[in-house]
Amino acid sequence: DVKVTQSSRYLVKRTGEKVFLECVQDMDHENMFWYRQDPGLGLRLIYFSYDVKMKEKGDIPEGYSVSREKKERFSLILESASTNQTSMYLCATSSGAGVKGVIQYFGAGTRLSVL
Amino acid sequence: AQRVTQPEKLLSVFKGAPVELKCNYSYSGSPELFWYVQYSRQRLQLLLRHISRESIKGFTADLNKGETSFHLKKPFAQEEDSAMYYCALSGSGNTGKLIFGQGTTLQVKP
Repeated sequence: DVKVTQSSRYLVKRTGEKVFLECVQDMDHENMFWYRQDPGLGLRLIYFSYDVKMKEKGDIPEGYSVSREKKERFSLILESASTNQTSMYLCATSSGAGVKGVIQYFGAGTRLSVL
Repeated sequence: AQRVTQPEKLLSVFKGAPVELKCNYSYSGSPELFWYVQYSRQRLQLLLRHISRESIKGFTADLNKGETSFHLKKPFAQEEDSAMYYCALSGSGNTGKLIFGQGTTLQVKP
């Protein structure tokens, strides 16, 4: 089974703080993704990475950055947290290879509250 | 533009009733469509994909290219089907990105 682990289940931060959300996968998958999940808006892609040190902006990258120094770890960084970044953050991975390469596997999510 | 639309935020049915969760997409090429499900307190997971043509937990979905739809159906809803359902699209030639719809909460009442 693919295991996608997000470092925190719940996080409370203050406006202006720098926030790190970590995601680790154990299946040697090439692709990793960060989404926001908000009621009525579905899942919106923030950033994704298809290789170590490679990244591409998704649909809502403003206010976020990412880091992928190792294949198994993909970090989402909120440079200066704001209240409108209060949300559920989901990490996902996919192998990128073969017929099942596009299937994404998700972490349990990090619920971030910015006060 | 690539887009997935799920017109219903909430679908409420009684146990044993048929269920149809609607999904429409906009894509000019040959899409691959998925349904993902998130049960309470569980992570989002794949329910089914159109190329597999399988029935999972009694659910089926047929890709209708003429109507650009991929509705999820089940003839007899069970209480354990209550969850959030997302339709997603993967376009050909992309880097593995999925485009998700807004999600539909299915509530099955006893």
